[in-house]
Formats: sequence, C-alpha cells, structure tokens
Amino acid sequence: GENVEQHPSTLSVQEGDSAVIKCTYSDSASNYFPWYKQELGKRPQLIIDIRSNVGEKKDQRIAVTLNKTAKHFSLHITETQPEDSAVYFCAAISNFGNEKLTFGTGTRLTIIP
Amino acid sequence: KAGVTQTPRYLIKTRGQQVTLSCSPISGHRSVSWYQQTPGQGLQFLFEYFSETQRNKGNFPGRFSGRQFSNSRSEMNVSTLELGDSALYLCASSRNPGISDTQYFGPGTRLTVL
Repeated sequence: GENVEQHPSTLSVQEGDSAVIKCTYSDSASNYFPWYKQELGKRPQLIIDIRSNVGEKKDQRIAVTLNKTAKHFSLHITETQPEDSAVYFCAAISNFGNEKLTFGTGTRLTIIP
Repeated sequence: KAGVTQTPRYLIKTRGQQVTLSCSPISGHRSVSWYQQTPGQGLQFLFEYFSETQRNKGNFPGRFSGRQFSNSRSEMNVSTLELGDSALYLCASSRNPGISDTQYFGPGTRLTVL
C-alpha cells in the first residue's frame, strides 16, 4: 500500500521567513495530494491540494509543488505569521485500487515572533 | 452549510467496554471516512463508507467496525476496549469517495480508556 513520509517533524522559523515541508510517497498511482493544517485542539482543515496533472499550485502565501517522477511534493509558506503555527499533514491518495487517504506523520511548525 | 458533526465530543470508558461514536456528514456528502489520531501513530485510516457500503478498510482489528445509514450518517463501534484505543477519532465527509472530492473533517471524539 501507499506509504507517505514527511519531513521535518518539527520546524521553527522566524516570523516573516519562509517555511518548507516535504513529503515523499511510494505509490506511483497516487494522483491527489492534499495538505491539512491542524491547530491545537482543532480539526484538520484543508489548506491546499494538488492533482497529478499540475506541477504547482499557489494560493496567496501558500504553494504546493509536485514532482511525480521523484514522487515527492512540498508545501511552501511565505511571509510566515504567528497564526501559521500548527501541525501540518500531507496526504496522498490514488483512484486506482485501494482509494484511501494516507497521511504523513505531521510537521509541527512554530513561528517565532 | 453546517459542517461535519461528531458526537459525543468526549468519552471516558474502561477496558473491556464497548463504545459507539456518531458522525453526521455535510449535507449532500455521501462518503464518510473514519480516522484514529494518536500522538505516536498520527492519522490512521480506519474505514470508509459510501452508499451504506464499506468501500475500504485500514489495518485495524475486527473490534473496530462501522456502518452507514441511508441518510449518510455513520457510526463506528469499538468493542472490548483496550488502553491503546485511547485516541481522537475523526470522521471526514466528501461528496463522493476516492479522489473525486475533498474530505472535510469533523471536530473529533476524544476517547479515553481507563
């Protein structure tokens, strides 16, 4: 089955700097890659997603890039703000075979004011 | 539009008991997935239901079961509770299963097994 690895597990960046979180996946059939943000005590919320037919997607300060050949995708947050502090999860799913969403282990991002 | 709701929000049980958790999806969503979230294992997929049928199942023992009703509401049941079952149980709904639509999470039910 699918295996998603996420790095780093913790990340601290100065407010205003950029943060990058990377994920790799094992199933080459995976073709949908969402990113979720989970603040302390709250539910995971989708912040951005990308499908395999595009290499990059951007939404204001957040962008995701996908390299299908290397089987990795990354989340980029620019001009970080204190409210970006949270745990971020990447995930992957394939629409072939077992269509279950497999999550990475999460990255705890801390923005230092 | 109301979001995904889960009841109860908190639950305390003792070993050996059983528990039933409930999830009401967003109106119009027919697919419901369940996840277990623990500090050590992260988000682990339990199962997915669509049109009252289980479509996928994760690697959990048979003590974990679920069902979906005709109105798309779903329940999951854990029998013979163990200490290791203490976790946040999240459900997520989408219009359709698989990659067709985004999953939206509920607030979760925090289960503590003593």
